[in-house]
Amino acid sequence: EVQLVESGGGLVKPGGSLRLSCAASGFIFSTYTINWVRQAPGKGLEWVASISSSSANIYYADSLRGRFTVSRDNAKNSLYLQMNSLRVEDTAIYYCARVRGSYPNYFDSWGQGTLVTVSS
Amino acid sequence: EIVLTQSPGTLSLSLGERATFSCRASQSVSRGYVAWYQQKPGQAPRLLIFDASNRATGIPDRFSGSGSGTDFTLTIGRLEPEDFALYYCHQYGSSPLTFGGGTKVEIK
Repeated sequence: EVQLVESGGGLVKPGGSLRLSCAASGFIFSTYTINWVRQAPGKGLEWVASISSSSANIYYADSLRGRFTVSRDNAKNSLYLQMNSLRVEDTAIYYCARVRGSYPNYFDSWGQGTLVTVSS
Repeated sequence: EIVLTQSPGTLSLSLGERATFSCRASQSVSRGYVAWYQQKPGQAPRLLIFDASNRATGIPDRFSGSGSGTDFTLTIGRLEPEDFALYYCHQYGSSPLTFGGGTKVEIK
């Protein structure tokens, strides 16, 4: 069974940093592109970033480029999102989602998400 | 960036009724690359439909998708209790990936 489990969320002050993790199991992690998607409380879905299987191709939402960095460690079956200079509007549930094929493409499996709250 | 507009915002229907939702794109979606997801409170989205009309693995055949260009539709043939949820369309024909604002299906 495909499983994606996010962790690392929490409360952080504006301007602070946080590193999210996504642990994958049940599939060959090193062969899949994985993305981050976020959802502000009570709002819709927003694509954040994409990283290809070998990390050769990385894409970001324009509004986040420069503050967020996506990376992965295929030996550990893990995906990461380093978030710096956090703003109140970054408050959201952050999901990692497996991509079918290469970016851009749809998401065939999602984690349960981790909540990031940016507040003073 | 392709903007996706979903309508209606909320659909109030009874069990057994047919539900139809619309997703309109601000420009043509390349190759009809539209997916639909279902989301229930406190849960992650679940893939229902990809490539506009293909059901994902394990999705009941009461769910169907159609459309091309800028207009896409998700239909639920007969509503079951577990179908009352939020539904999002998603285009992956071009970068950046974008989602519609969602349609909520509630019990009438």
